[in-house]
Amino acid sequence: GENVEQHPSTLSVQEGDSAVIKCTYSDSASNYFPWYKQELGKRPQLIIDIRSNVGEKKDQRIAVTLNKTAKHFSLHITETQPEDSAVYFCAARGGANSKLTFGKGITLSVRP
Amino acid sequence: NAGVTQTPKFQVLKTGQSMTLQCAQDMNHEYMSWYRQDPGMGLRLIHYSVGAGITDQGEVPNGYNVSRSTTEDFPLRLLSAAPSQTSVYFCASRAGSSYEQYFGPGTRLTVT
Repeated sequence: GENVEQHPSTLSVQEGDSAVIKCTYSDSASNYFPWYKQELGKRPQLIIDIRSNVGEKKDQRIAVTLNKTAKHFSLHITETQPEDSAVYFCAARGGANSKLTFGKGITLSVRP
Repeated sequence: NAGVTQTPKFQVLKTGQSMTLQCAQDMNHEYMSWYRQDPGMGLRLIHYSVGAGITDQGEVPNGYNVSRSTTEDFPLRLLSAAPSQTSVYFCASRAGSSYEQYFGPGTRLTVT
């Protein structure tokens, strides 16, 4: 089955700096890669996703890039703000009928 | 649209007790899933359903049962609660034609 890994488990950045969170996946058939943000005590919320036929996708301050050859995808947050502090999960799915496999999550702290 | 709803929000059980966590969605989504979230472990799939009358096991199904008699509801039953089942439980749903998965607010369960 699919295996998704996130490293490191924590990341601390200064407010205004950029943050990059990387995930790797094992199944070359995976074609859908979402990123979820989870604030303390809240549910995971989908913030951006990318499909395997696209190399990059942007939405305001966040972007996701996908490298299918290396089997990794990354979340980029520019001009970080304290409200970006949260746990971020990456995930991968092999197709519309496949299960979503999550990474263990990374805790991002933005220092004011 | 209420989206995905879960009840109760919090529950304390004694070892050996049974209970049912409720999940409902009003978006007519075919796919529904149950995850548990433990510190440092990410989101692990317990059971999922691709439609009414169809369920299957996920990564960590032992000690849990599910049924899907209607499109809207997907209850999770703990047969005989154990301290190892102390966790936060999230229900999620998505349309069959879509990749995007939406989470409910979660149930925090403590087994003593």
